[in-house]
Amino acid sequence: GNSVTQMEGPVTLSEEAFLTINCTYTATGYPSLFWYVQYPGEGLQLLLKATKADDKGSNKGFEATYRKETTSFHLEKGSVQVSDSAVYFCALSHNNAGNMLTFGGGTRLMVKP
Amino acid sequence: KAGVTQTPRYLIKTRGQQVTLSCSPISGHRSVSWYQQTPGQGLQFLFEYFSETQRNKGNFPGRFSGRQFSNSRSEMNVSTLELGDSALYLCASSPYQVRNTEAFFGQGTRLTVV
Repeated sequence: GNSVTQMEGPVTLSEEAFLTINCTYTATGYPSLFWYVQYPGEGLQLLLKATKADDKGSNKGFEATYRKETTSFHLEKGSVQVSDSAVYFCALSHNNAGNMLTFGGGTRLMVKP
Repeated sequence: KAGVTQTPRYLIKTRGQQVTLSCSPISGHRSVSWYQQTPGQGLQFLFEYFSETQRNKGNFPGRFSGRQFSNSRSEMNVSTLELGDSALYLCASSPYQVRNTEAFFGQGTRLTVV
């Protein structure tokens, strides 16, 4: 079946540091890949997505590239801010599964001033 | 445009009781999915409804059920509550049943079973 694995947290960084959160997936065919972010006490918000190999999703300074050869979708940001502190979830959806999302375990990011 | 609305936001129930949670999707969205979020198991898919039909179901016992109404609003029901059902229940809506459509999430209902 489909699965998503992402690095465990928490990840603690100083403001303006470079961020990488690793995500790898297992799926047949060509899933769509997503990064969602969850702020304290809130639901999930879509951060970025990629629907085919070599696509790069980007939003608010965050980027991730769909790498089929390594089945990865790592999240990066060049300079994090305190306001980026949240839990980040990597997820996939598959063509034959409607809108069902399979999520990774989540990575908590803490950015210190 | 109003977002996904889940009610109630918080619930406390006793073991053995049943509970009904409600989700109003974004206007025009026809797909509604439910997820359970716990510290131990993370985010797990419960079921998806599209045009009042259940299209997908996750690996949960039959005590978990749902339905969707003609206006796309959805409810999920959990019968014979167990302590392990304590979780944040998230609803997500999407405009179409295609794989690369963004899912919009509500703030969730925090269920505590005592």
